[in-house]
Amino acid sequence: GAVVSQHPSWVICKSGTSVKIECRSLDFQATTMFWYRQFPKQSLMLMATSNEGSKATYEQGVEKDKFLINHASLTLSTLTVTSAHPEDSSFYICSASAGRYQETQYFGPGTRLLVL
Amino acid sequence: EDQVTQSPEALRLQEGESSSLNCSYTVSGLRGLFWYRQDPGKGPEFLFTLYSAGEEKEKERLKATLTKKESFLHITAPKPEDSATYLCAVQGWREYGNKLVFGAGTILRVKS
Repeated sequence: GAVVSQHPSWVICKSGTSVKIECRSLDFQATTMFWYRQFPKQSLMLMATSNEGSKATYEQGVEKDKFLINHASLTLSTLTVTSAHPEDSSFYICSASAGRYQETQYFGPGTRLLVL
Repeated sequence: EDQVTQSPEALRLQEGESSSLNCSYTVSGLRGLFWYRQDPGKGPEFLFTLYSAGEEKEKERLKATLTKKESFLHITAPKPEDSATYLCAVQGWREYGNKLVFGAGTILRVKS
């Protein structure tokens, strides 16, 4: 149980285009979903937290107009990287938890984004 | 501010050589301490959640323990397939919701 999927697993795009990444909880309802970014040989950096039906809460320094997050249902959250640039190239990972408090986060397999 | 420090940064073991990874934390009221395993190019895989000092949990060759200031992940007779980065994270009462604060991780290499 507690399986989280991400799609696509990797994407290459041209600078200036937008990229959408989907995160789905397959066998549980995710009240809260999280989006992380990970640079090579570094730990996970939280970008934003989203609760179903609410606006996402972004971490300090993360541009909300750049990284659009939608959590429209209890099983799906999307991250859209708008007008992507080479510096947005990274490994993006989502996680999902069934509750809002003291709940384990289950992670997706990650999406590798390369912006040319 | 909640903080997590993991040591060592990297650990090389021979197959069968038991050892421990350390996770020291400071948090304003611990709601939960989490251990994850991450393989290269993949998302973290959940291992354990510990909630209170004195708690222990086991899974195959892994055993996690918790005190008021640190957690240990003991690896007994490791195998090459145990090679991965092990991440420790805490949830504190200061943070709304169930946000995690991660340590930098310990890279474990087990040689046959």
